[in-house]
Amino acid sequence: DTGVSQNPRHKITKRGQNVTFRCDPISEHNRLYWYRQTLGQGPEFLTYFQNEAQLEKSRLLSDRFSAERPKGSFSTLEIQRTEQGDSAMYLCASSFAQGNSPLHFGNGTRLTVT
Amino acid sequence: KNEVEQSPQNLTAQEGEFITINCSYSVGISALHWLQQHPGGGIVSLFMLSSGKKKHGRLIATINIQEKHSSLHITASHPRDSAVYICAVHNTDKLIFGTGTRLQVFP
Repeated sequence: DTGVSQNPRHKITKRGQNVTFRCDPISEHNRLYWYRQTLGQGPEFLTYFQNEAQLEKSRLLSDRFSAERPKGSFSTLEIQRTEQGDSAMYLCASSFAQGNSPLHFGNGTRLTVT
Repeated sequence: KNEVEQSPQNLTAQEGEFITINCSYSVGISALHWLQQHPGGGIVSLFMLSSGKKKHGRLIATINIQEKHSSLHITASHPRDSAVYICAVHNTDKLIFGTGTRLQVFP
């Protein structure tokens, strides 16, 4: 078990471009979460999956954001037409489905939109 | 007002000092997490608790469900404890995070 893996670690893109991030959770975990963290703030919930089903999306997730987990394993988060305000650390976490299972976090993908 | 409030926001200490970080929350929870985040961004879970007290090495976490308050204590602090400590509460199926406490421990 190598833990939760996120790629890329860093992404610099120009405003208006599309970007896609990938998260590989711990293999036995059926829940996968995406969070966004801006400088000096705690992480904010974006969305989560149980297996391949997307169960909840935050109001923070505008129409430009889409997340998928097609086979219930890895997940992708795509941002279309990036804006400077999208610059943040995007964190992925996974857990078992039982109510209070601890979350295991990846190291995040730091996005900079210029 | 944030649903999870931490204090202080920033904390500096000399090596060896006893550290306390506080967390108050206003929502119903099933569990509370204390997390540690180093400058590289990775988050490590320190404790998950729903009542009482837990201890791991030099770290102690307590929670008072009636008062909706938790504390994280670090005894005999060390420069390698320097990090951001984040309180997060389990509300339904997701975590709600505090803004974190940035701790710097100087030798």
